[in-house]
Amino acid sequence: GENVEQHPSTLSVQEGDSAVIKCTYSDSASNYFPWYKQELGKRPQLIIDIRSNVGEKKDQRIAVTLNKTAKHFSLHITETQPEDSAVYFCAARSYQAGTALIFGKGTTLSVSS
Amino acid sequence: NAGVTQTPKFQVLKTGQSMTLQCAQDMNHNSMYWYRQDPGMGLRLIYYSASEGTTDKGEVPNGYNVSRLNKREFSLRLESAAPSQTSVYFCASGTNSGNTIYFGEGSWLTVV
Repeated sequence: GENVEQHPSTLSVQEGDSAVIKCTYSDSASNYFPWYKQELGKRPQLIIDIRSNVGEKKDQRIAVTLNKTAKHFSLHITETQPEDSAVYFCAARSYQAGTALIFGKGTTLSVSS
Repeated sequence: NAGVTQTPKFQVLKTGQSMTLQCAQDMNHNSMYWYRQDPGMGLRLIYYSASEGTTDKGEVPNGYNVSRLNKREFSLRLESAAPSQTSVYFCASGTNSGNTIYFGEGSWLTVV
């Protein structure tokens, strides 16, 4: 089935710097790639997503890029702020698991001021 | 807007006890899911249901059973709890058209 690898597991940046989190997936049939943010003790919440017919998508300070050939996608956060500190998860939709999302293991982002 | 509602929020079980986690959604979604979250392991799919009356195994189904009671409700049962099932459990729901899924607030389960 689908396997999603996420790197790095932890990331520390200074406020105002950029942060990049990378994921790879194994199932070439996957066509939907969301990113979730989870604050301590809270539920994961969608922050941005991209479909396989799009190479890049932006929403204010966050952007996601997708390389279907290489089967990897990345989350880019610019001008980081302390409130960006959280765990970020990438995911891919695998047809082998119906409509379910398969998640990476997460990246803990710490933004220091 | 209730969204996805899970009960209970916290539970402590003794090894061998059974319990059911309840989940209900009010967004008229066809698909529902149960995930578990453990430190360093991300969110792992236990079971999912693409429609009322159907259920399928996910990545880590052993030790669990599920019931899709109706379109709104999807329950997760631990028949004989083990310490390895200590985790945070998230229920989620979504449409079948390829859009994202929405999570409940989570259920913290400790098995001693």
